[in-house]
Amino acid sequence: DAGVTQSPTHLIKTRGQQVTLRCSPKSGHDTVSWYQQALGQGPQFIFQYYEEEERQRGNFPDRFSGHQFPNYSSELNVNALLLGDSALYLCASSSAGGTEAFFGQGTRLTVV
Amino acid sequence: EDQVTQSPEALRLQEGESSSLNCSYTVSGLRGLFWYRQDPGKGPEFLFTLYSAGEEKEKERLKATLTKKESFLHITAPKPEDSATYLCAVQGYGGATNKLIFGTGTLLAVQP
Repeated sequence: DAGVTQSPTHLIKTRGQQVTLRCSPKSGHDTVSWYQQALGQGPQFIFQYYEEEERQRGNFPDRFSGHQFPNYSSELNVNALLLGDSALYLCASSSAGGTEAFFGQGTRLTVV
Repeated sequence: EDQVTQSPEALRLQEGESSSLNCSYTVSGLRGLFWYRQDPGKGPEFLFTLYSAGEEKEKERLKATLTKKESFLHITAPKPEDSATYLCAVQGYGGATNKLIFGTGTLLAVQP
């Protein structure tokens, strides 16, 4: 079992650019959630995808958007990058109705 | 509003010196309380899920307990490899998803 995989592992972007992060869920899981973790903080919920639809969104602007594909993999897109978007972006997968979420290794995004 | 507070922020122990980490929470209907371990620059690694007051779970040198207002992660005779950030998160019944609300974590350093 490959677990949750994320790509890329590291990324450096310039302010104003756009970025796409990718996630493949754990085998058997159909729900993907995205979290942002700033240095020294706990992960903050961005949104969750199930059946290719966004089910709930945390307190993040519309610059953050996502997509889920029929194979349950997911993308997180961030437009018009700000310096404050620099963080570790985590993908977590779970089964619908399940409670336990398993995280990938994260993508470290640095905006300069 | 669902909230998680962890204490202490940082803890330094000698190898073999047992201690406890605290997680206080407020949630509108607890669906589950979760403990994760996070190594620097990595994604959180799942440790335990607790569902109801009085429940306890153990794994090697770690034991998690739950009351109606807080959870403790007890570390018995820790080793240097137990050094990491320990994150606590809650999942409530409010809302359409199983999103997690995290605390800011306790940074544990175990010295040989």
